[in-house]
Amino acid sequence: QSVLTQPPSASGTPGQRVTISCSGRYSNIGTNTVTWYQQLPGTAPKLLIYTNSQRPSGVPDRFSGSKSGTSASLAISGLQSEDEADYYCAAWDDSLNAVVFGGGTKLTVL
Amino acid sequence: QVQLVESGGGLVRPGGSLRLSCAASGFTFSDYYMNWIRQAPGKGLEWVSFISGGGSTIYYTDSVKGRFTISRDNAKNSLYLQMNSLRADDTAVYYCARRGSGAAANDYWGQGTLVTVSS
Repeated sequence: QSVLTQPPSASGTPGQRVTISCSGRYSNIGTNTVTWYQQLPGTAPKLLIYTNSQRPSGVPDRFSGSKSGTSASLAISGLQSEDEADYYCAAWDDSLNAVVFGGGTKLTVL
Repeated sequence: QVQLVESGGGLVRPGGSLRLSCAASGFTFSDYYMNWIRQAPGKGLEWVSFISGGGSTIYYTDSVKGRFTISRDNAKNSLYLQMNSLRADDTAVYYCARRGSGAAANDYWGQGTLVTVSS
């Protein structure tokens, strides 16, 4: 059971906008920043969003992040086939003194 | 360019030990916190441990406390994970990762090294 809660799956058609949620508690998302990773099959995770909504250089602006209270969301607009991957949220947890991850969301592009 | 290359994985019997290494290049290694993160086969990501740039601040996830030890040699640009008393549920790909902006934000990852604990 992961500390952060994500839906196990999500799907959309090319060009569509999809969102992936990440729910936590005060000790993690409520007081610390949220990070999102994309993991393509057979590869290491890639940093997608940091500090709730910042994109590293090279990440398309189709990807956006937001946070409100103890929840966060990743939005992907203009969905493309290459976006088919696993997506993870993460945050520091002040109570556990640990980095905590969501269980991951498998995104399928139909 | 930033590169992280893990090594040291392999097959080990339950109760055994293994030492993972991560060779870093392309950045000033001592300026960065470094993490070990693992992923069991077919499962999600699990943070294992991090160490500050100078080595004075270290944290572990509860399941490895007392069994795993993270360390670094800044002169050799290397990160290590000594794993003792290994259990079957330690079986995973182990990634080293450089921490960027934010405690959970790792901006560069290695390719991973597979540790299999089995009799």
